[in-house]
This record gives sequence, C-alpha cells and structure tokens, in this order.
Amino acid sequence: EAGVTQFPSHSVIEKGQTVTLRCDPISGHDNLYWYRRVMGKEIKFLLHFVKESKQDESGMPNNRFLAERTGGTYSTLKVQPAELEDSGVYFCASSLQTVVNPGELFFGEGSRLTVL
Amino acid sequence: DQQVKQNSPSLSVQEGRISILNCDYTNSMFDYFLWYKKYPAEGPTFLISISSIKDKNEDGRFTVFLNKSAKHLSLHIVPSQPGDSAVYFCAAYNYNQGGKLIFGQGTELSVKP
Repeated sequence: EAGVTQFPSHSVIEKGQTVTLRCDPISGHDNLYWYRRVMGKEIKFLLHFVKESKQDESGMPNNRFLAERTGGTYSTLKVQPAELEDSGVYFCASSLQTVVNPGELFFGEGSRLTVL
Repeated sequence: DQQVKQNSPSLSVQEGRISILNCDYTNSMFDYFLWYKKYPAEGPTFLISISSIKDKNEDGRFTVFLNKSAKHLSLHIVPSQPGDSAVYFCAAYNYNQGGKLIFGQGTELSVKP
C-alpha cells in the first residue's frame, strides 16, 4: 500500500512567485493534515481536512496560503505570493479517522520550499 | 506561545548507553503525548505514545515517562544503537482538537559506535 506522497520534494522560487505543493494521502483516508517546519523549529499545524471540508484552518499563517482538497482525494497548498519567511518543509499527513490514536497518523516525506 | 518545548537541540551518546530525551509542556489539558522519529529527507514516523492517565509506557528498547506534576516527559532508549540517530520530536494531543498535534522543536540524537 502506497504511503502519503508529496510533490515536489524540493522547490526553489524567488520572492513574489507562486508555488503549489501537492499531497496524495493514503487511499481511503478521509483526514488530511498540513504541517510546516521552518528553519529547524517546531513542526506547526496548518490545517485539517475531513474529506473536502476544512475542519480546522487555525494554523494557516495568512491569506497568501490557500489549501484545497477538491473531491476529497489529493490536496494542494498554494503560496501566492511567496515571501522569504515561507521557506521550510511542508509535511502532509493522513489518517483513516479523525485521530483518536495518534499512532495512526502517517506523514509524507515533505516538500522543501526555498524562497530566495 | 510554545506549548511543547524540547530545550536540547542535540544529544550525543555512545552506542550501548542510555539516551534520554526530554520534553516540557505547559497545557495540562493534553490527553496524549507522543514521540516521533525523523530521518533526513523523510517524514516523521510514530515511535511511542503515552496517555495522560499513565506515567510510563514501554515498547522494547523505548520507554516514555510522564510526570504530570512537573509537566515533563522523557524518552529513554536503552541500549542506544547507531540506527537510532535521528531527530526526535515530542508532540501532544487533545481529543477535542480533531487530530491537531502540537510539536516541540526536536532533538537531534547522534549515537556513536
């Protein structure tokens, strides 16, 4: 069974440009989460989808970030326009149910974003 | 306001010895605490967890201790192996938060042969 896959693995863009990150969760997982780790700091929650609905988007930094999950399958996270402080590693995670046992949350390898 | 803190960015241990990774938290309402392990260029993988109603959970070489009065938990790895070298993240969870994990900054463990 395929795990959580993320694309691209690394993206280098200039300040002001747009980047779209994609996450394919494990098949059948209704719950999809985006997290971000900036410059060796803590991994921070961004938002949570249940199927195509945003359950919690309290961690989204500002309106330059737009997450979508059309059809309740894969998700995209767009940053437009990108700023220097957006650099970091963006992790996607998925779970079958809204997490009760956190050991059932599976992370992707992350998409590293570098904004120059 | 960081609710989960790992104050040691790195730790170096000799193979065969004990590794102790520490984590402090501020929110007494957390229901679950977890440790994740992360290798370079990989995503975090779940290692071990502990419910807030317990004070110890053991799984093979890994044991997590929870001291609620001190709002402190620790991960013990005995004996440490070179393959344990990775970044370890402490995380906390509240049932009514729908799966939102609060992570610490991570501690990079290096186990030397």
